[in-house]
Amino acid sequence: EIVLTQSPATLSLSPGERATLSCRASQSVREFLAWYQQKPGQAPRLLIYGASNRATGIPARFSGSGSGTDFTLTISSLEPEDFAVYYCQQRYDWPTFGQGTKVEIK
Amino acid sequence: QLQLQESGPGLVKSSEILSLTCTVSGGSIISSDYSWGWIRQPPGKGLEWIGNVSYSGNTYYNPSLKTRVTISVHTSRNQFSLKLSSVIAADTSVFYCARQGADGSFDIWGQGTMVTVSS
Repeated sequence: EIVLTQSPATLSLSPGERATLSCRASQSVREFLAWYQQKPGQAPRLLIYGASNRATGIPARFSGSGSGTDFTLTISSLEPEDFAVYYCQQRYDWPTFGQGTKVEIK
Repeated sequence: QLQLQESGPGLVKSSEILSLTCTVSGGSIISSDYSWGWIRQPPGKGLEWIGNVSYSGNTYYNPSLKTRVTISVHTSRNQFSLKLSSVIAADTSVFYCARQGADGSFDIWGQGTMVTVSS
């Protein structure tokens, strides 16, 4: 099983600030890494696939980078609707998810 | 646009079989570009992939659940289904169906359905 470790567990920021979320894999997943956003009571929404490709309709303030074992999701300037939980997911092996990073309002 | 909708009982008794169906609308389940998956999320916790099925019936399961899971596709009804046997309280979760692309990401999700396992 490939374990994905996300950090930090919680990120307290203000609107307009930059958010940097990390996802580290226990072994290389090449570029097979996706990021999701989940709000309370809602299904996850795909943000980034292939480590750095924005999904359809995702604003340009969301960007992904990395390959191998270290990945980053960056939100360049937080909007009020961006406060949510974010998950990474790999499919190099059978799919696994990270434990999530909660981005909360400071 | 393509939409997915889960359906099934919201309450299942311990040791019995949990059965859910995902109905695909706005497009065909028959596609070589995608497979169809189930993911669950216990209350207040993270996401766990259960398994996938292709339109041709090929399946791919989470090794930790493999002995209890059956996922089937029903192309004539544009549906796929999940059966989880011998359920216990720890199986209580929101269950999502989703479409998985070749890159491995799940790009379209159902709204989710809560299933509680009671003793």
